[in-house]
Amino acid sequence: DTVLTQSPALAVSPGERVTISCRASESVSTGMHWYQQKPGQQPKLLIYGASNLESGVPARFSGSGSGTDFTLTIDPVEADDTATYFCQQSWNDPTFGAGTKLELK
Amino acid sequence: QVQLKETGPDLVQLTQTLSITCTVSGFSLTTYNVHWVRQPPGKGLEWMGAMWNGGGTDYNSAFKSRLSISRDTSKSQVFLKMNSLQTDDTAKYFCARSYYSSYIYDYWGQGVMVTVSS
Repeated sequence: DTVLTQSPALAVSPGERVTISCRASESVSTGMHWYQQKPGQQPKLLIYGASNLESGVPARFSGSGSGTDFTLTIDPVEADDTATYFCQQSWNDPTFGAGTKLELK
Repeated sequence: QVQLKETGPDLVQLTQTLSITCTVSGFSLTTYNVHWVRQPPGKGLEWMGAMWNGGGTDYNSAFKSRLSISRDTSKSQVFLKMNSLQTDDTAKYFCARSYYSSYIYDYWGQGVMVTVSS
């Protein structure tokens, strides 16, 4: 299985720029996607294909990377962005990262 | 609008069989795919398997021996059935839609929380 490694948590202040990283144990090309999950809710697709913004998602969210290293950037961060962010690869049988919990100071 | 809704038991006894139904609306099961993803409490997400729009299925090898996914297109329903449940199968079970032949999930149900009890 392709293992995806994410930092467990980040804390930033509203208005700042935050980057959330995801590293794959093997190359997944651009088959990387990002989801936002708020407590008690289902995940929401933010970015697909490493850098494509899902329809309806604010342009404050962006994604980059290819191969094994990927980032999700939120700029500027807003209070409503408090959530856990998961990366997911689809190059091989799909796997998800353990999630990065974003908290606002 | 696009909706997916999971229905199933809150509690399943150890070693018994879990059955969950995903009822969809706003799209056709012959055009889009439906996947099952689960999330143990406080943990990450795990892909379980897929029902493709053509009627084929795909399973995570970790579940293949005890998982079955089927559908009834006339009722817009996809079914998950998993046997020999253990306590570590306690999780929220989601169905999610993907398009083309992808594993990109653009719509999700709210999930059903299933506890396996001894």
